[in-house]
Amino acid sequence: AQKVTQAQTEISVVEKEDVTLDCVYETRDTTYYLFWYKQPPSGELVFLIRRNSFDEQNEISGRYSWNFQKSTSSFNFTITASQVVDSAVYFCALSATFSGGYNKLIFGAGTRLAVHP
Amino acid sequence: KAGVTQTPRYLIKTRGQQVTLSCSPISGHRSVSWYQQTPGQGLQFLFEYFSETQRNKGNFPGRFSGRQFSNSRSEMNVSTLELGDSALYLCASSYLTGDTDTQYFGPGTRLTVL
Repeated sequence: AQKVTQAQTEISVVEKEDVTLDCVYETRDTTYYLFWYKQPPSGELVFLIRRNSFDEQNEISGRYSWNFQKSTSSFNFTITASQVVDSAVYFCALSATFSGGYNKLIFGAGTRLAVHP
Repeated sequence: KAGVTQTPRYLIKTRGQQVTLSCSPISGHRSVSWYQQTPGQGLQFLFEYFSETQRNKGNFPGRFSGRQFSNSRSEMNVSTLELGDSALYLCASSYLTGDTDTQYFGPGTRLTVL
C-alpha cells in the first residue's frame, strides 16, 4: 500500500524563522514520484516541486529547499526566513504508477503553517 | 498560458439532486484528474481521464462519474447527492509525456449539499 504521513498538523512561527515540514512516505514501488503543493486560503493547490525516486539530490529554490532521503523514506521541506505570505497548508504527495496507477496522487493530511509578523 | 479553470466556483444543492462540474485544462494538456477534498478525509483521488478514456479510478461509489471530451475538457457528475458529498472538488491537468506527470490544479468548485 502507498501512504504519505505528515505528522505535523499545525506549525506556528514568527516571521524570519526557519521552518521544516516533514513528510514520510511508504511504497513498494522502486519507481515513484514525490511532490509538494501549497494551498493558500483561496483553495487552489500550487505546485512547488517534483522529485523522482532516482534523484536524491537536494534542491534549493530561493528560500525553499527540499531534502530527499530514500534511506528514511522522507522528503522534507524547509522554508528559510519565513514570511507572512508563506502562511498556507502544505501537502506532500506520492505517485507510484505500478501500484497506484497513472497520475494518481496520494496526499498526506497536510501541514498548516502560520507565519506571524 | 491560462491555468486550469473550473466552473462553477460555488454550488449549493439539496440531497437527492445531481450536479455536474466542469474543468478546462491548460492548453495542450491531455490528462485531467479529479480530487475531492473534505476536512475529514483530506484530498482523495476520484478519477483520471486521458484521450477521452478513464484510465484510473479511486475508491468512490458509482454515483460519481466523469467524462472527457475531444478537446480535453472534462466534466464530473454526482448523482443522488448526499450530505457527505459536500466538499471542494479539484481538477488537475497534466501534459502526460510518460506515466506520471506534474499535475496543475484549478481553483476548485465548492459544493455544499443541504
